[in-house]
Amino acid sequence: EAQVTQNPRYLITVTGKKLTVTCSQNMNHEYMSWYRQDPGLGLRQIYYSMNVEVTDKGDVPEGYKVSRKEKRNFPLILESPSPNQTSLYFCASSSGTGGGLNQPQHFGDGTRLSIL
Amino acid sequence: DAKTTQPPSMDCAEGRAANLPCNHSTISGNEYVYWYRQIHSQGPQYIIHGLKNNETNEMASLIITEDRKSSTLILPHATLRDTAVYYCILVRRGGKLIFGQGTELSVKP
Repeated sequence: EAQVTQNPRYLITVTGKKLTVTCSQNMNHEYMSWYRQDPGLGLRQIYYSMNVEVTDKGDVPEGYKVSRKEKRNFPLILESPSPNQTSLYFCASSSGTGGGLNQPQHFGDGTRLSIL
Repeated sequence: DAKTTQPPSMDCAEGRAANLPCNHSTISGNEYVYWYRQIHSQGPQYIIHGLKNNETNEMASLIITEDRKSSTLILPHATLRDTAVYYCILVRRGGKLIFGQGTELSVKP
C-alpha cells in the first residue's frame, strides 16, 4: 500500500531533550516536506526537499533541522525542543517533477508533539 | 509571497452543491492552484488541482478565472462526510507551498 509513515504518532517530552520524528515513503517520490499545524494558523511549511541531498527552508524553519540522505526518508530533528514547538506535525511526499510540482502531495497521519 | 484568501466558514445543505471560493490575486504564471481538505486532525487529503484550465474529477470541479486571480472549488452533491476544512494552496516553482487559512465547510442535513 502506498503510504507516508510517521513515527512516533504521539510524544510528550521536556525542553532541551533532542528528538527526531521519522518520515518514510514507499512511493519512490522525489519531493518530501514537513509541516506544522497550530490552532487558527492552518498548515505552515517547515522544510522541504526536492531530491536526495537537496533541502530548502519553508516558512517556519527556526528550531528545526532535516536531512535527506536517501530518497525514502526525511527525518525532522529538533535539537533543543522548546514549548513553542508543541504542535501537530505532518510529513508529505510527491512525485511532482521539476520545479512545477504538478502532482499532489500524499500526507502522513501526523505526529502530535508536546514539549513541556 | 503570493497568498490565498478564503472565507473562514460556510454552510451547505446536504445534496446541494458546495461552492468554495479562493482569492489568489498575486498568483504567478507558473503556480498551480491545489485544493486539499482536512477532516478533524487527519492528514490533508488531495482533492483537485489546475494551472489555467477548469478541471473535473470524481470528487469535485475546479473553476479558475481567466485572469487566474481567483478560483472556486465545487462539490456537486455535498454529503455529511464532506464536512471538513478546505484549503486552497498555491504551489510554486521550487516546491514551496503557500497555504491559505482554509474554509470550514459544514454540511447540514
